[in-house]
Amino acid sequence: ETGVTQSPTHLIKTRGQQVTLRCSSQSGHNTVSWYQQALGQGPQFIFQYYREEENGRGNFPPRFSGLQFPNYSSELNVNALELDDSALYLCASSRGENRVNTIYFGEGSWLTVV
Amino acid sequence: AQSVAQPEDQVNVAEGNPLTVKCTYSVSGNPYLFWYVQYPNRGLQFLLKYITGDNLVKGSYGFEAEFNKSQTSFHLKKPSALVSDSALYFCAVRDPNRDDKIIFGKGTRLHILP
Repeated sequence: ETGVTQSPTHLIKTRGQQVTLRCSSQSGHNTVSWYQQALGQGPQFIFQYYREEENGRGNFPPRFSGLQFPNYSSELNVNALELDDSALYLCASSRGENRVNTIYFGEGSWLTVV
Repeated sequence: AQSVAQPEDQVNVAEGNPLTVKCTYSVSGNPYLFWYVQYPNRGLQFLLKYITGDNLVKGSYGFEAEFNKSQTSFHLKKPSALVSDSALYFCAVRDPNRDDKIIFGKGTRLHILP
């Protein structure tokens, strides 16, 4: 196991609602990133947090937002849910910002928007 | 723009035979390359990475990958396939100009036939 834990594992939301997904990083890891994996696709980078600040963002609209807490755990918030937001959301953690560090993923949260 | 290509959607190999899963990349600097595996309804598991040094990288579960700079490839290999190797495999490259995202290929489904 990677030591990265996510909750909830599955959830169903209605279009227009808001959702919060949670992630606990591996011990000693201060960098957390979030990815969206649509069915049949590779993961797409949403954003990254380092020491409680967002320090990188992919091509996702502002209704995708996040937080990182002092213990390095993190939340992903999605407002005004759309049907296309249905996907597996993966949290990943790593030690520091060094590009050579391995990124370890959690099991993911399956979001279905109906 | 940085990118990763996995030219095969699916690869079928008989158990006990060698396997290869192909990956090519396009980056503007020195590539940091990764392979991850995803079992059904699970998150991503790290297999191996190439940062620098020896072109043949050994990883988990008997997998290895060969970095070829002239062909911009990073093919995943295993000398003798197991049925339990059946899964979805993702090649990924760390954007050398950024400290955040990893760019994933679309994945290759590996079927090991008993």
